[in-house]
Amino acid sequence: AQSVTQLGSHVSVSEGALVLLRCNYSSSVPPYLFWYVQYPNQGLQLLLKYTSAATLVKGINGFEAEFKKSETSFHLTKPSAHMSDAAEYFCAVSVQGGSEKLVFGKGTKLTVNP
Amino acid sequence: DAGITQSPRHKVTETGTPVTLRCHQTENHRYMYWYRQDPGHGLRLIHYSYGVKDTDKGEVSDGYSVSRSKTEDFLLTLESATSSQTSVYFCAISRDRFNSYNEQFFGPGTRLTVL
Repeated sequence: AQSVTQLGSHVSVSEGALVLLRCNYSSSVPPYLFWYVQYPNQGLQLLLKYTSAATLVKGINGFEAEFKKSETSFHLTKPSAHMSDAAEYFCAVSVQGGSEKLVFGKGTKLTVNP
Repeated sequence: DAGITQSPRHKVTETGTPVTLRCHQTENHRYMYWYRQDPGHGLRLIHYSYGVKDTDKGEVSDGYSVSRSKTEDFLLTLESATSSQTSVYFCAISRDRFNSYNEQFFGPGTRLTVL
């Protein structure tokens, strides 16, 4: 069965600093991996997804993530944090070959300090 | 934005009362999902549907039932609400099973409080 671990339930950065949100997955078969963002009192919005086409995936709002099979990781990064990036971020995994379900991590709340 | 609406958006009810939450989509997607979101737990799947009248359980299905009589509507029912069911409930849709071209879209959520 698939699972996702997000290291750090809260991450705080200064405006302009690097954002690094960690996600490790467990899957016995090649995975699909997703990062979603949730702004306060809103639903989840897809940031980016890995579907095996390329290991470095670029998403919206300047975010990107790199799939590293050897490390079973899919960390989310952004070179320079903006105040508007403050939100909760969720990593999720599905499996290639026709899965119909996503398994979500517990989320990382990002705070951006001025 | 994907055409997903949830109703009601907020509800306060008392322990032991039945509650029905509605998810409505205009995308004609095959799959529909109900999740609950609780602090420290992320999103957990309650039930999902893979077609009209076709549903299956998720990881936290106890105390919940669902129905899908039309492609566009997916109902979540709490037969007798308990305080442990106080949560934010999200509906999601996807066109088909996950592949390179498919993803899941989320509704705005329903905040349910059971007193």
